[in-house]
Amino acid sequence: GAVVSQHPSWVICKSGTSVKIECRSLDFQATTMFWYRQFPKQSLMLMATSNEGSKATYEQGVEKDKFLINHASLTLSTLTVTSAHPEDSSFYICSASRTTGTDTQYFGPGTRLTVL
Amino acid sequence: RKEVEQDPGPFNVPEGATVAFNCTYSNSASQSFFWYRQDCRKEPKLLMSVYSSGNEDGRFTAQLNRASQYISLLIRDSKLSDSATYLCVVILGTDSNYQLIWGAGTKLIIKP
Repeated sequence: GAVVSQHPSWVICKSGTSVKIECRSLDFQATTMFWYRQFPKQSLMLMATSNEGSKATYEQGVEKDKFLINHASLTLSTLTVTSAHPEDSSFYICSASRTTGTDTQYFGPGTRLTVL
Repeated sequence: RKEVEQDPGPFNVPEGATVAFNCTYSNSASQSFFWYRQDCRKEPKLLMSVYSSGNEDGRFTAQLNRASQYISLLIRDSKLSDSATYLCVVILGTDSNYQLIWGAGTKLIIKP
């Protein structure tokens, strides 16, 4: 159990368009989901934390109007990169936890975004 | 069988001890391997890559056993600050199209 999927796995888009990335917990209910961005040297940066049914909490320096996060159900969270620019090209990874109190996160496989 | 498996622990270890844990993977085509460290509810940070010949970084030693399909992490002279969750990551595919597969992590607690 505890499988997390992401869709799409790879997306290429033109500058100025918006891209939606889905994160699903396939066999468990995820009260909390996290969105990360991966930089070239494999380090991860936490972008935001979302609890089901409430607004996401964004980390300092992350534009909430640029990276829209919706966690409408216990199995699905979406990240929408609005008006994407080449500097948004990166690897986006989500993770999910069963409760707000647990420190066990189950990671998705990531989505590679390339903005032309 | 999960693609990447780790013993969730927790491993309770006294300060100064040596501790090791493994991560097994099921896909023999796996290309690259990494160990990440994650503190409670913070983002994982890359600890070290795992090279075929094994590699060492201070008190940390990583090894790869392709025949048995596992990687290991050894921590010597453990410190209280080593308490964290250690995640292994396996990469399938090529530079232009790869997939990350994460283990669920092994929780390590170093006690004084």
